[in-house]
Amino acid sequence: EVQLVESGGGLIQPGGSLRLSCAASGFTVSSNYMSWVRQAPGKGLEWVSVIYSGGSTYYADSVKGRFTISRDNSKNTLYLQMNSLRAEDTAVYYCARALRPLYADYYFDYWGQGTLVTVSS
Amino acid sequence: DIQMTQSPSTLSASVGDRVTITCRASQSISSWLAWYQQKPGKAPKLLIYKASSLESGVPSRFSGSGSGTEFTLTISSLQPDDFATYYCQQYNSYSPGITFGPGTKVDIK
Repeated sequence: EVQLVESGGGLIQPGGSLRLSCAASGFTVSSNYMSWVRQAPGKGLEWVSVIYSGGSTYYADSVKGRFTISRDNSKNTLYLQMNSLRAEDTAVYYCARALRPLYADYYFDYWGQGTLVTVSS
Repeated sequence: DIQMTQSPSTLSASVGDRVTITCRASQSISSWLAWYQQKPGKAPKLLIYKASSLESGVPSRFSGSGSGTEFTLTISSLQPDDFATYYCQQYNSYSPGITFGPGTKVDIK
C-alpha cells in the first residue's frame, strides 16, 4: 500500500528556516517524480517544487532561490528545505507522487496528509 | 504561464442531482487535464486524468470530458460523500510548471 507521511511543520518566525520530510512506503521515491504542493488557509492548491527520478529539480517562481527539494534514497524520504520564510509561505504542505506520461508534464496520484507551516512573529 | 479558470465557484445541489463543473485553460492543453476532489482537512484525491480517464477505485458516477481549452467534470447522481471542493489541474508539457484551477465547492442545497 502506498503511503506518504509528512512531518516537520510548525510555527516559525519570518526569515527563519524549516525542513519538511515526507516518508514514503509502498514504492521507491528515487524511481518516481515527487513533488510538493501547498495550500494557504482557505485557498486553492499551489504547486511548489518537483524532483524528477533522474534528479532534476524545478521550483515555482514564488519559492525559487529560497526552497530546495531533495531526497534520501536510503530512507526513501523526500525533503523540502525552506529558507528565508515569509508570511505568505504559511500553508499546509503536501508531498505527492507525480506521474508523467509521454509528451506531457505530471499529475499526482498519491498525496500525504499534509503538514502545516505557519510563518508569523 | 497557462491560467486555469473554473465555473461555478460554488454549486448548491441535492443528493441525486446531475452536477457539471467546467474548467477552462488560457491556451490549448490537448487532453492533459486532471480532476481532484478535496474534503475539508484532507488531502486532494485524484479522480480523473487525461481529461476522461477514471482513476482506479473512483466510482463510475464521475466522468470527465473535453480537450483543447474547455473541460467538464460530471457527477451523474450526486451522493452524500461527494460534497467537497473540486480542482482541475493542467499538465501540458509546454508550460513552465503545472497549474491548478481555483476550485469549485459543491455544497448541500
